[in-house]
Order: sequence, then C-alpha cells, then structure tokens
Amino acid sequence: DAKTTQPNSMESNEEEPVHLPCNHSTISGTDYIHWYRQLPSQGPEYVIHGLTSNVNNRMASLAIAEDRKSSTLILHRATLRDAAVYYCILNTGRRALTFGSGTRLQVQP
Amino acid sequence: DTGVSQDPRHKITKRGQNVTFRCDPISEHNRLYWYRQTLGQGPEFLTYFQNEAQLEKSRLLSDRFSAERPKGSFSTLEIQRTEQGDSAMYLCASSFTQGRNNSPLHFGNGTRLTVT
Repeated sequence: DAKTTQPNSMESNEEEPVHLPCNHSTISGTDYIHWYRQLPSQGPEYVIHGLTSNVNNRMASLAIAEDRKSSTLILHRATLRDAAVYYCILNTGRRALTFGSGTRLQVQP
Repeated sequence: DTGVSQDPRHKITKRGQNVTFRCDPISEHNRLYWYRQTLGQGPEFLTYFQNEAQLEKSRLLSDRFSAERPKGSFSTLEIQRTEQGDSAMYLCASSFTQGRNNSPLHFGNGTRLTVT
C-alpha cells in the first residue's frame, strides 16, 4: 500500500494561514488523498479529499501537486480550535484506511 | 443524523476479564470499521464489515478478539481474557460506500479501555 510522509509537528499563529504538507511519492493513479484531523479526546474527523484537482470546502483547501506525489492542506485562518493532529491518508477504495502518526498542529494565540 | 455512537465511553477491567463494546453507526451506512489507538499513535485498523459480512481483518486482531455485526446495523467488539496491552482507545467508524467511491469515514468518540 502507498504510504504518506508528514512532519511530526508544526506551529502556527492564530488567524494566520497554515500549510500542512504531505508526501506520497508512491501514489497510484486511482488513489484518493484524504485528510482527517483528531482533536484531543475525540475520534478523527473528516476534513477534505481529492484526486487530481484542488478542492475547497468550508473547513479547508487541498492543493494537489501536478504529479500527485505531494499535497498540502491549507487552513486559511488558523484558530485555537484547529489545534489537532492532522492525518494525510491515501484511499485506494479497496482496503480500509491506514493512518500514520500525522502532524500535530499547535496554534499560538 | 446523530453520528456514530459508542458505548461505553470508558471501561476499566481487570486482567483476564472479558469486555464487550458496542457501536451504532450512522443509519444506512453499509460499512462499519473498528480501529484501536494508543497514546501518541494514529488509529490502527482492526476489522471492517460491509453490511453483515466481515470483509477484512488485521493481523492485530488476535484470537481473543471477535467482532460481529448482526443484521448489518450495530456492531460489537469483544475482547476475551483481556491483557494490559489491550489498554487503548477503541474507535468505530462508518461510511456509505458503493464500488470504489471515496465516501469519508465518520468516527465515534471511542471507548477507552483500561486493563489493570
């Protein structure tokens, strides 16, 4: 199964944009890129997903590289409530999602 | 849509006892997943069902673990003869998936198991 690589942690200031990177150099043509986040003491929460084109929703934007070997989750204005662990996952559609360790985002006031 | 609910939220048990957890998925979701998460790690996949059928089991799911989803609705996860290493958060998720579409998973808030 294709794997993803994310930084262990990142810091941001409140109300500034945050760019969370993810590398997935072994992605196959039909794998979707999914992002989830997990707040303390809660289960993971779906954020966004995409295949080739950039995607926007009310929570975030997903920028996908042209070769699809990397992607970036963009939080346009970080709030303290965005402090969480963010997981980048490849969804093959054939098997259950495999979570890595994710990126722990800290947001400073 | 009341979300995925799990019961109980917390369970403390003594080593060697059996425990059972319940998950109620979002109604009409055909897939139901069980994951386990220990402190500082991402969720680890255990097993999933499509309707009543258990389609995939992880190697993490030892013989002491069994999961059922009778009638394709709620699911139970039982751990027999619990060990201290079973202490973890057990997460349930559900999705509506047809073919190879990419419906997101909806997670519950988990059952935290402590084995003393």
